[in-house]
Amino acid sequence: KAGVTQTPRYLIKTRGQQVTLSCSPISGHRSVSWYQQTPGQGLQFLFEYFSETQRNKGNFPGRFSGRQFSNSRSEMNVSTLELGDSALYLCASSPGTGGESREKLFFGSGTQLSVL
Amino acid sequence: SQQGEEDPQALSIQEGENATMNCSYKTSINNLQWYRQNSGRGLVHLILIRSNEREKHSGRLRVTLDTSKKSSSLLITASRAADTASYFCATDGDDYKLSFGAGTTVTVRA
Repeated sequence: KAGVTQTPRYLIKTRGQQVTLSCSPISGHRSVSWYQQTPGQGLQFLFEYFSETQRNKGNFPGRFSGRQFSNSRSEMNVSTLELGDSALYLCASSPGTGGESREKLFFGSGTQLSVL
Repeated sequence: SQQGEEDPQALSIQEGENATMNCSYKTSINNLQWYRQNSGRGLVHLILIRSNEREKHSGRLRVTLDTSKKSSSLLITASRAADTASYFCATDGDDYKLSFGAGTTVTVRA
């Protein structure tokens, strides 16, 4: 089985722009979660999607949004970029149906976003 | 904000030695997990221990959990160069939002 695929691997944007990141989960996985990793704040939970619905949400401003498609692929969008949004954005998938099938996450390699 | 804190922040050991790192957390948990991250890459799940378990083994990994002290430890035995990575504990308070610690960077010297 192919792993979790995130594209693009690197992105450079300027303040005020918006960006869309993409994540393809492992085949058969219906849950996709997004995490932000920065040197200062570490890894922080953004949101989780399951069967095209947002099932869980972290404490991030509304500029951060996401969606999930019927094939379980997910996109994350950040609008009006700020310098502090520079981070490694990690996507993780799981079967998502409950218990360990939802708890144990399989991560992609991430998208490194730099905001100038 | 981070739920867990790892100790030490960094660890350097010789190949073949054991590596031990600790994780403390603040609120009650459903389970605690350990993940490994190689430089700038994604995280790899290592082991999950539930709040009603005290110890778990997986290959060269041994994890303990003490819920009374709100702490966990990860032991890697007979370390190899390939174990060089950052190790994170992550707690799940039954809301499926993992809260990660700041991580321990382990360097295994040949």
